[in-house]
Amino acid sequence: DAGVTQSPTHLIKTRGQQVTLRCSPKSGHDTVSWYQQALGQGPQFIFQYYEEEERQRGNFPDRFSGHQFPNYSSELNVNALLLGDSALYLCASSHLYNEQFFGPGTRLTVL
Amino acid sequence: GENVEQHPSTLSVQEGDSAVIKCTYSDSASNYFPWYKQELGKGPQLIIDIRSNVGEKKDQRIAVTLNKTAKHFSLHITETQPEDSAVYFCAAVPGNDYKLSFGAGTTVTVRA
Repeated sequence: DAGVTQSPTHLIKTRGQQVTLRCSPKSGHDTVSWYQQALGQGPQFIFQYYEEEERQRGNFPDRFSGHQFPNYSSELNVNALLLGDSALYLCASSHLYNEQFFGPGTRLTVL
Repeated sequence: GENVEQHPSTLSVQEGDSAVIKCTYSDSASNYFPWYKQELGKGPQLIIDIRSNVGEKKDQRIAVTLNKTAKHFSLHITETQPEDSAVYFCAAVPGNDYKLSFGAGTTVTVRA
C-alpha cells in the first residue's frame, strides 16, 4: 500500500511566477491537508480539503489556493511567488478525524 | 488559536540513556496530541499519539504522558539508539478543529 505521494520532489522558481504542487493521499483516506515548513521550524497549516471543498484555512494569503479532485488527490497553487515562499511543502492525508500521515514533501526554492 | 511550546530545542543523549521532550498547549479544548519524527530530507512520521481521555500510552521504547490539568504532554524514549537521532515535533488539535498546531521541534542526537 503506497503512502502519501507528492510531486515534484524539488522545484526552483523565480519571484512573481506561479507554482502547482500535487499530492496523492494514502489509500482509504479522503481528507488532504497542506502545510508549509520553513527551515528549522515546525509545519504551519495552510488549508484542508474534504469532499472537494476547502474545510479550514490557516493564516495564509489568497495567493495560496488549492483543489481536491474526485479521486481525493489534491493540488496546491501559489501565485506571485515571493522569496519568503521558499520552504518544504507537506501534504498530509487522513480519514475523518483520524491520524494525519505526511508525504515526503516538495522543496520549493524561490530565487 | 492553539499555541504549542516545545522544550528543549536540542537534546544530546548517550546511547542507551533516556530522552524526554516536553510540550505545553494553550487551548483547553485540545483533545488529540500526536508526536512526529522527521529525519533529514523526509516528511514527518507519526510515531505515537494520545487522546485526552487517556493519561499515558506506550509503544515499545516510546511513551507519551498527558496532564490535562496542567495542559502539558511529554514524549519519553527509553534505551535510545543512534537511529533515534532526528527532529521530533509535538502537535495538538482542539476538538472543534482539524489542523495540527505544531511545536517548534526538538533535535535529538544520540551519541554512540
